[in-house]
Amino acid sequence: DSGVTQTPKHLITATGQRVTLRCSPRSGDLSVYWYQQSLDQGLQFLIQYYNGEERAKGNILERFSAQQFPDLHSELNLSSLELGDSALYFCASSRGQGTSPLHFGNGTRLTVT
Amino acid sequence: QKEVEQDPGPLSVPEGAIVSLNCTYSNSAFQYFMWYRQYSRKGPELLMYTYSSGNKEDGRFTAQVDKSSKYISLFIRDSQPSDSATYLCAMENGGSQGNLIFGKGTKLSVKP
Repeated sequence: DSGVTQTPKHLITATGQRVTLRCSPRSGDLSVYWYQQSLDQGLQFLIQYYNGEERAKGNILERFSAQQFPDLHSELNLSSLELGDSALYFCASSRGQGTSPLHFGNGTRLTVT
Repeated sequence: QKEVEQDPGPLSVPEGAIVSLNCTYSNSAFQYFMWYRQYSRKGPELLMYTYSSGNKEDGRFTAQVDKSSKYISLFIRDSQPSDSATYLCAMENGGSQGNLIFGKGTKLSVKP
């Protein structure tokens, strides 16, 4: 068990809808990362937060947004969902801002119908 | 050319075999190299974490980094059916943002 908790495990929703994915990092970790994993693209970095502030952005669509709260948990909001957004969404955490190994949760499987 | 290339396999070996998994990369700024193991329906689990060139051993696993060739390897000795999983290499340049670049993963199956 990595200590990173993600909810929900599965989410099925329709196109055009909005969903929120939640992540609780390992105890003591200040950085939270969001990754998207699909069969054709592999693991793609979306965004990083460190101690409540955005630190880095990857290939995150404008329809997606995230935030990290004072208690360090994070939420990833996906809106105007499209069929192509169906994927596994992973949260990871680390102690510092960078050069730390990441510890992943077990992901949220999103299916858009 | 992708930043990180990894043969997707699948790779099938008999129990007890030595497994060699490899990744090549193009960005010479990468300094930190990792191997993750991912079981079906689970998140990636950190296996090995190395800095710069050289070898690092942990039990049946050995990670090897050759920065001059931009090539990293993971060796698994005495492979077990429980090693059956997808193995992902990952690397980063050591900047202030921990943005790992992942390979697409190699699916390994160890047959009893």
